[in-house]
Amino acid sequence: DSGVTQTPKHLITATGQRVTLRCSPRSGDLSVYWYQQSLDQGLQFLIQYYNGEERAKGNILERFSAQQFPDLHSELNLSSLELGDSALYFCASSVSLNTEAFFGQGTRLTVV
Amino acid sequence: GEDVEQSLFLSVREGDSSVINCTYTDSSSTYLYWYKQEPGAGLQLLTYIFSNMDMKQDQRLTVLLNKKDKHLSLRIADTQTGDSAIYFCAARSNRLAFGKGNQVVVIP
Repeated sequence: DSGVTQTPKHLITATGQRVTLRCSPRSGDLSVYWYQQSLDQGLQFLIQYYNGEERAKGNILERFSAQQFPDLHSELNLSSLELGDSALYFCASSVSLNTEAFFGQGTRLTVV
Repeated sequence: GEDVEQSLFLSVREGDSSVINCTYTDSSSTYLYWYKQEPGAGLQLLTYIFSNMDMKQDQRLTVLLNKKDKHLSLRIADTQTGDSAIYFCAARSNRLAFGKGNQVVVIP
């Protein structure tokens, strides 16, 4: 157990809908990362937060947004969902910007 | 091209050594990581190496870094069936970039 908690574990929703994925980092970790894992694209970096502020942005679609709250948990919002958004979404956390990242178990999103 | 590249598949017999290779593009990468992902699970950090090191050994794992060629390798000695998984290389610069993973299948 890495100490990073993601909910829900599984999510099935219809195209056009909006979902929110939640991540609780390890105790003491200030940085949170979001990644999307699909079969054809591998592990794609979406976005990183540090102590509530956005620090790095990757291949995140405009339909997606995220934030890190004062208690350091983070949410990833996915809207106007398309079939191609079906993937595993991972959250990771680290103590600081340059230390190793620990991953949660992921949320498997299926868009039907 | 991709920030981090890996070959996709490796098959190895139990008890043999496995070597997984990775290349990265960002020369400002400070840390290089190896993660392991078993089926249905998240990524587990196996080991890492700082960019000013050439080699790091951790029990059955040996990491070699050629900074000039931006090449990283992971050697697993005495490979066991429990080592069957997907192995990801990652490079940290202003973000943490991952390769597509290398699936290792251990044959008993």
